[in-house]
Amino acid sequence: DADVTQTPRNRITKTGKRIMLECSQTKGHDRMYWYRQDPGLGLRLIYYSFDVKDINKGEISDGYSVSRQAQAKFSLSLESAIPNQTALYFCATSAVLNEQFFGPGTRLTVL
Amino acid sequence: AQSVTQLGSHVSVSEGALVLLRCNYSSSVPPYLFWYVQYPNQGLQLLLKYTSAATLVKGINGFEAEFKKSETSFHLTKPSAHMSDAAEYFCAVSDAASGTYKYIFGTGTRLKVLA
Repeated sequence: DADVTQTPRNRITKTGKRIMLECSQTKGHDRMYWYRQDPGLGLRLIYYSFDVKDINKGEISDGYSVSRQAQAKFSLSLESAIPNQTALYFCATSAVLNEQFFGPGTRLTVL
Repeated sequence: AQSVTQLGSHVSVSEGALVLLRCNYSSSVPPYLFWYVQYPNQGLQLLLKYTSAATLVKGINGFEAEFKKSETSFHLTKPSAHMSDAAEYFCAVSDAASGTYKYIFGTGTRLKVLA
């Protein structure tokens, strides 16, 4: 079984809809991250969490919110989706000072 | 602030030829550096990492990278390209200066391998 899972893998939604992307990990890591990937821009950090009570904004947090429900679960929400949020979204986990492990990604399309 | 620059958004090499993907970083403190690979429709997979031990780092699939402090570079190389190396490659630096150690990614280099 995969160490980092994301659901859904693909989602098409309409402008103005609320949507939640979910991430779960079995690696026992405290640190979790949400990124978005756009062609030519690499990966940009949306939010990150170092433990259940610690949530931090990344470089592009506007229009997004997160919830850390447990050590193993970190959800990303778009309260009112807009077309320029169409992207590939990745969740990642890490232990302190170690490499990050990535999920398979969620491809989100906002019409 | 720390940053990463990957020179060349697209690189093409012939099968069997040398692969060289360039990465330059900016960091006010000794950096942790990483190379990741992304195959089509997949997540990112760690190729190798530099964490202040040996400056020549060997990774998976025959890749290696050399940390050169004087040039602020961490270029990725492979002596002989295979068709299966076609993918997108990302260099990343860990934000040690802020104490958070979160990643800052380069914009990626897509490698094409020609038969």
